[in-house]
Amino acid sequence: QVQLQQSGPGLVKPSQTLSLACAISGDSVSSNSAAWNWIRQSPSRGLEWLGRTYYKSKWYTDYAVSVKSRITISPDTSKNQFFLQLNSVTPEDTALYFCARDDNTGWKFDSWGQGTLVTVSS
Amino acid sequence: QSALTQPPSASGSPGQSVTISCTRTNSDVGSYSYVSWYQQYPGKAPKLMIYAVSKRPSGVPDRFSGSKSGNTASLTVAGLQAEDEADYYCTSYAGSNNYVVFGGGTKLTVL
Repeated sequence: QVQLQQSGPGLVKPSQTLSLACAISGDSVSSNSAAWNWIRQSPSRGLEWLGRTYYKSKWYTDYAVSVKSRITISPDTSKNQFFLQLNSVTPEDTALYFCARDDNTGWKFDSWGQGTLVTVSS
Repeated sequence: QSALTQPPSASGSPGQSVTISCTRTNSDVGSYSYVSWYQQYPGKAPKLMIYAVSKRPSGVPDRFSGSKSGNTASLTVAGLQAEDEADYYCTSYAGSNNYVVFGGGTKLTVL
């Protein structure tokens, strides 16, 4: 059974970088049959997929066009985890952030982290 | 505005069946074969209930079923139970720009 454990600060100042980590147990970030996603949820924007990273002979990333200029999702194979970095945040980035796994076959998120509420405020 | 439209609310009495719709409103939403449904309790992570329109992950009761007709996918919950009261979201593959879009969610109330 795959478990995802999120960590990171709950408060970020405007214009700074939001950074979250998602530790994986029960699977490998380097698995050829999984992709590792970040999704956020806010009252104003609902659920919003942000991006993913996955490994198929080499590393790939895909990002939503709405955040593409500000986002980086990266793996850490030594600690079996992956990261979200979102630059130049504004109060609009205030949301509940989730990491999630999909099996890279049909866009189904079958394991989720517990969620991290990130508030952007000075 | 989401490319997938859901009714904001639905309700039913215990034992009844309820169907929640998810209508594709944007032709850019790609293969509608990748429709999934998620159940979410307040403050918790979503849980996968249906994938590939009508497939159920192991552990999901067979009271939950999915279907699709034209531009509308549907989630049916049969034999409603109190524990089914939650928010339900549909998702679909949306092409190579946004990849995945979510519906706005439906709050299911068990009367």
